[in-house]
Amino acid sequence: QVQLVQSGAEVKKPGASVKVSCKVSGYTLTELSMHWVRQAPGKGLEWMGGFDPEDGETIYAQKFQGRVTMTEDTSTDTAYMELSSLRSEDTAVYYCATDLLPAGSDYWGQGTLVTVSS
Amino acid sequence: DIQLTQSPSFLSASVGDRVTITCRASQGISSYLAWYQQKPGKAPKLLIYAASTLQSGVPSRFSGSGSGTEFTLTISSLQPEDFATYYCQQLNSYPPLTFGGGTKVEIK
Repeated sequence: QVQLVQSGAEVKKPGASVKVSCKVSGYTLTELSMHWVRQAPGKGLEWMGGFDPEDGETIYAQKFQGRVTMTEDTSTDTAYMELSSLRSEDTAVYYCATDLLPAGSDYWGQGTLVTVSS
Repeated sequence: DIQLTQSPSFLSASVGDRVTITCRASQGISSYLAWYQQKPGKAPKLLIYAASTLQSGVPSRFSGSGSGTEFTLTISSLQPEDFATYYCQQLNSYPPLTFGGGTKVEIK
């Protein structure tokens, strides 16, 4: 059984960066394809990017290209999502989720609230 | 990008009601569609994948159908624990992997 535990809530100023972590247990990170999805307060789900096992590459939503970096530390089975140049519209709960492709996933982290405020 | 339009965006129903939610894709996505349930403060939970396959452990009152551009999620007899927001997600053409706007099911 895969378990994903995310880092705690963050408060950031506009223009700053945030790095959210997602620790995997039950499997090793190399066996999984990690994705990141966010949800602004009262809004729907928005996919940010993730690993495509068909191509063997990390793919990003164009909306976040240049601002988001998704990395992995296989020695600690921890995935990271870093978002830079934060603005108020980036205030959201950020989720990690494994193996969204090709059929959706039942393995999600608990979510990390990132608040961007001056 | 493929757009997913869910309808209705909100519905009010009673326990025991049959509920149907529709998800329309802007282009054909074969059967690469998943349905999720989300409760406040919680991560989404996978209900249906490949448009019509029930995820293990999900009650059989949930069912999915459709292919191409039109899909439905049906709850045959609404239970108190089913009051939540439901999302569809397409996994055929990416990036991006798009979600529908959501359907909030509330108690009448």
